[in-house]
Amino acid sequence: SQQGEEDPQALSIQEGENATMNCSYKTSINNLQWYRQNSGRGLVHLILIRSNEREKHSGRLRVTLDTSKKSSSLLITASRAADTASYFCATLGGGAQKLVFGQGTRLTINP
Amino acid sequence: ETGVTQTPRHLVMGMTNKKSLKCEQHLGHNAMYWYKQSAKKPLELMFVYNFKEQTENNSVPSRFSPECPNSSHLFLHLHTLQPEDSALYLCASSQEGGREGYTFGSGTRLTVV
Repeated sequence: SQQGEEDPQALSIQEGENATMNCSYKTSINNLQWYRQNSGRGLVHLILIRSNEREKHSGRLRVTLDTSKKSSSLLITASRAADTASYFCATLGGGAQKLVFGQGTRLTINP
Repeated sequence: ETGVTQTPRHLVMGMTNKKSLKCEQHLGHNAMYWYKQSAKKPLELMFVYNFKEQTENNSVPSRFSPECPNSSHLFLHLHTLQPEDSALYLCASSQEGGREGYTFGSGTRLTVV
């Protein structure tokens, strides 16, 4: 069953603005991961946050995790046209050996 | 290149054809996965292989037949497919059951006519 649900499904902003995407999940997790997918291509791993972490940074990316609310957010600061892509959250359960993906957020950065 | 190579990139096949998708990784990972991505649907996990043994079959129809001869190679054999099987098929690999993330190939865009 699909666990992660992203919100919003689509987001369009101007270049230079910040983009925030949210992900909710249903069961306990070992970690939560964010991936990016350019149109028709494979997914690229962006960042991973473990269940005992609350915030993590990588370059212009900031991820937060609230296990009490079973939610995570991905913030992309100072967006660029090249950030246009679909973004997926994926959860790894405590005993699971597989990632379960959400439906994704389609992000469009307008020049 | 991510280290996971999928071939072919595009495939058009008739419903009576037999074809195979190939995935190869040179990352030393011990787990490999097939995912299906259809328009407007979440990624669907199809099969999981750990140390070349199948550990998950997510109720996939038998017209999809996976093969994992070793930890570096994964195939998806296709026969008598339906038009609704048209999708992007993604292969991924990982270490330790994905605890450090998956590495995906670029996918095979399959069209069944």
